[in-house]
Amino acid sequence: EVQLLESGGGLVQPGGSLRLSCAASGFTFSSYVMTWVRQAPGKGLEWVSSITVSGEHSFYAASVRGRFTISRDDSKNTLYLQMSSLRGEDTAVYYCAKPGSGWFARFDWGTGTLVSVSS
Amino acid sequence: DIVMTQSPLSLPVTPGEPASISCRSSQTLLYSNGYHFLDWFLQKPGQSPQLLIYLGSSRASGVPDRFSGSGSGTDFTLNISRVEAEDVGVYYCMQAVQTPPTFGQGTKVEIK
Repeated sequence: EVQLLESGGGLVQPGGSLRLSCAASGFTFSSYVMTWVRQAPGKGLEWVSSITVSGEHSFYAASVRGRFTISRDDSKNTLYLQMSSLRGEDTAVYYCAKPGSGWFARFDWGTGTLVSVSS
Repeated sequence: DIVMTQSPLSLPVTPGEPASISCRSSQTLLYSNGYHFLDWFLQKPGQSPQLLIYLGSSRASGVPDRFSGSGSGTDFTLNISRVEAEDVGVYYCMQAVQTPPTFGQGTKVEIK
């Protein structure tokens, strides 16, 4: 059974940094593109970033490019999202997601971790 | 980026009655392998999204057969044949044919 467990969320001041982790189990982590999706309070789902197999390529939403960095450690079956220069609009639940096929189709979702950016 | 547009955004339903949600994309979701890369998710209150339908019309494992997906090209529909109380939540369509994946705004289904 696929399990994705995010951690690292919390309250941070504007301009601060935070690193999210997603511990994966139940599948061959190194074989899949992995993705972060966020959901602001009361809002819809927004793609944030994806990283290809072996970390060869990474992609970012325009709203986070230059401030967030996605990475993976296949030896630890863990996905990361390093977030810096955080803004109020980054406040959201952050989910990691694994595709069932291809890069993005048939997502399995983690439980999410809440990031709150406020002074 | 492909823009996904859902309608309606709010859907009051009566238990036992059918319900339908539309999802339209700004570009075709037909991939070269002949499949449409369109998924439907349900996010129940306080939970993560859960996969209902993939490739436009295939039910995910464990999803009741009252849920069905249809459509092609840029026009897709999620149907619930007889709504049950446990079906309340927000339904999202998502395209997976192009980077980045993009989501519809969500349709909130609630019991009348």
